[in-house]
Amino acid sequence: NAGVTQTPKFQVLKTGQSMTLQCAQDMNHNSMYWYRQDPGMGLRLIYYSASEGTTDKGEVPNGYNVSRLNKREFSLRLESAAPSQTSVYFCASRDTSGRFGELFFGEGSRLTVL
Amino acid sequence: SQQGEEDPQALSIQEGENATMNCSYKTSINNLQWYRQNSGRGLVHLILIRSNEREKHSGRLRVTLDTSKKSSSLLITASRAADTASYFCATDAKGTGGFKTIFGAGTRLFVKA
Repeated sequence: NAGVTQTPKFQVLKTGQSMTLQCAQDMNHNSMYWYRQDPGMGLRLIYYSASEGTTDKGEVPNGYNVSRLNKREFSLRLESAAPSQTSVYFCASRDTSGRFGELFFGEGSRLTVL
Repeated sequence: SQQGEEDPQALSIQEGENATMNCSYKTSINNLQWYRQNSGRGLVHLILIRSNEREKHSGRLRVTLDTSKKSSSLLITASRAADTASYFCATDAKGTGGFKTIFGAGTRLFVKA
């Protein structure tokens, strides 16, 4: 059972470079989320997608863009990376079509911006 | 500002003792969830309590919800060294694009063997 898969697991970027974090889920969930977690902190919501074709800003959207490519995939793009974006990024998915269920998380993508 | 706030920020107890963590939130909710995170790993779901429920049990876990006080507590009974982890509460807030799930800053639990 794959669940939520994130790629890459590790990435080092230079300031100003761009990259895309990929996320895919195989549980047929309608909602997907991107969070970032800084050392010793909780998770902060960057963007979310309540259903295929919709996206919306979370708590810390500046410097990021997202694409809900289809029901399975939700990507996060850094157009011009900054050192402040050094963090661990988690993708999650959830069934919110009826009674809301639990979030399922990927293992995280560790990004360092030099 | 975060929807959920946990306290204490850190808790250190002996194996066999009970651990209680609290979570307060700001807006009305559909449900409240508790998650656990081992160092450097992804989050694992522990328990979900719906807004019309007051208490829920799962093994050694007991969660209470007081919607009038906008607060929840997570009790871990007879703690073990393996319970050492960070614990987070999460609530759903209505956004323009649907419900968004917001996490608190977490409680770091250390259980000494």
